[in-house]
Amino acid sequence: NAGVTQTPKFQVLKTGQSMTLQCAQDMNHNSMYWYRQDPGMGLRLIYYSASEGTTDKGEVPNGYNVSRLNKREFSLRLESAAPSQTSVYFCASRSDRGFQETQYFGPGTRLLVL
Amino acid sequence: DAKTTQPPSMDCAEGRAANLPCNHSTISGNEYVYWYRQIHSQGPQYIIHGLKNNETNEMASLIITEDRKSSTLILPHATLRDTAVYYCIVRVALDNYGQNFVFGPGTRLSVLP
Repeated sequence: NAGVTQTPKFQVLKTGQSMTLQCAQDMNHNSMYWYRQDPGMGLRLIYYSASEGTTDKGEVPNGYNVSRLNKREFSLRLESAAPSQTSVYFCASRSDRGFQETQYFGPGTRLLVL
Repeated sequence: DAKTTQPPSMDCAEGRAANLPCNHSTISGNEYVYWYRQIHSQGPQYIIHGLKNNETNEMASLIITEDRKSSTLILPHATLRDTAVYYCIVRVALDNYGQNFVFGPGTRLSVLP
C-alpha cells in the first residue's frame, strides 16, 4: 500500500513549456485534490475531483487543467508554464469512512519555471 | 468553513509537552477540528481530529473547550522529529461536494535540544 504517489519529484521548465504532473492513489478513495504551496504559505486548492469523471475548480485554477483518468489517477497539466507557477504541488486523496474522513497527501512535486 | 487563528511560531524543549493552541470562535455545530502537520519538504500528515470530546491517539491529544471556540493540540513528549508546521483546520464532515481542507499559515513548532 503506497498511499499517494506523485511524479516527477522535481522539474525545471522554461516559460511557455507544458507538462503534466501525475498523481495516483491505491486506497480506493473517491475524492482527489491538487494543491500548490508557495514559500511561507499554506496550501491553496487548485482543482479537485469528488469522484471519477468529475472535476471542479478550487481557489486558484487559472493556468491549470486536470484529468481524472480513473478512480486511481488524477493529473494536473500546465499548458503554458509561467514563472508564477513556480511552487510545490501536492496531490491528496480523501477517505470517506463515514464521519471519519480525512485527507492523505503525496510527497509533492517541486516545479521551477524559468 | 470556520476560520482559525494560530500563533505563527512556538518553541518547545525536547522531552517536554508541546501545547499548540487554535482559536475557532465561529465554528458551527457540525464542524470538526482537524490537525495536520508538515515536516520540511514533505506532504502534510494527518494527526488527529475531533468534534466536541477530547481525543487521544498514538501521536497526540486534542483538547476542545466546552464552547468549542478553541482547542489545543498536545504532543506529550516532543522530540526533534516533531519540528514542523502544524495546521488547525475546522470543516464539515460528510461534504457531498468533495470540498477541500483550507490550510492557513499554521504554527511553526521548533523543538529545541
